[in-house]
Amino acid sequence: SAVISQKPSRDICQRGTSLTIQCQVDSQVTMMFWYRQQPGQSLTLIATANQGSEATYESGFVIDKFPISRPNLTFSTLTVSNMSPEDSSIYLCSVVDSPNTGELFFGEGSRLTVL
Amino acid sequence: AQSVAQPEDQVNVAEGNPLTVKCTYSVSGNPYLFWYVQYPNRGLQFLLKYITGDNLVKGSYGFEAEFNKSQTSFHLKKPSALVSDSALYFCAVRDAHVGTGGFKTIFGAGTRLFVKA
Repeated sequence: SAVISQKPSRDICQRGTSLTIQCQVDSQVTMMFWYRQQPGQSLTLIATANQGSEATYESGFVIDKFPISRPNLTFSTLTVSNMSPEDSSIYLCSVVDSPNTGELFFGEGSRLTVL
Repeated sequence: AQSVAQPEDQVNVAEGNPLTVKCTYSVSGNPYLFWYVQYPNRGLQFLLKYITGDNLVKGSYGFEAEFNKSQTSFHLKKPSALVSDSALYFCAVRDAHVGTGGFKTIFGAGTRLFVKA
């Protein structure tokens, strides 16, 4: 199973600033995803990070707010731009072990608090 | 579009008793179904999955789940609960037909399990 490392694990940010979260996988993976888990809530898919092309965003999420990079098959970044307190969440990077049938593997998450 | 419902916010059970955490789903095609567990301040861990074949699937930590196509359900079960099973459990679904929504996995709202000693 893939091992996923996320940085930072947590941060406290000021309103109006931006923060970039890094996701590193210990093996090459085809599919990478970014999820958001707001306090006490379930996971909501932000986008699919596509290697070598623009990310595919879900309804309610836009590239200007959540720009994503995926320069290779083991690394991705998610930026949360112009943050507000409503962006306080856990952001989770995940990968699919087998694109055809496989389960997701998750990083430990990045807990952001916006003041 | 696919969706998942977990009708119970919380399930309470005494240690040693059987537990059930309910999940129903909706997909346009055939479902791939998953259960994940989240312990406090941790990421999600995979428990088990149904792809095809036997309707009863077994997973980690003694958990099992039964796929019921007619009832569109995938309830999580364990014959004898442990205090250490107390955590947040998520049911998730993916449409087996890639063309419908791609590979994305949709999660239920989660059910918090409390196992009392």
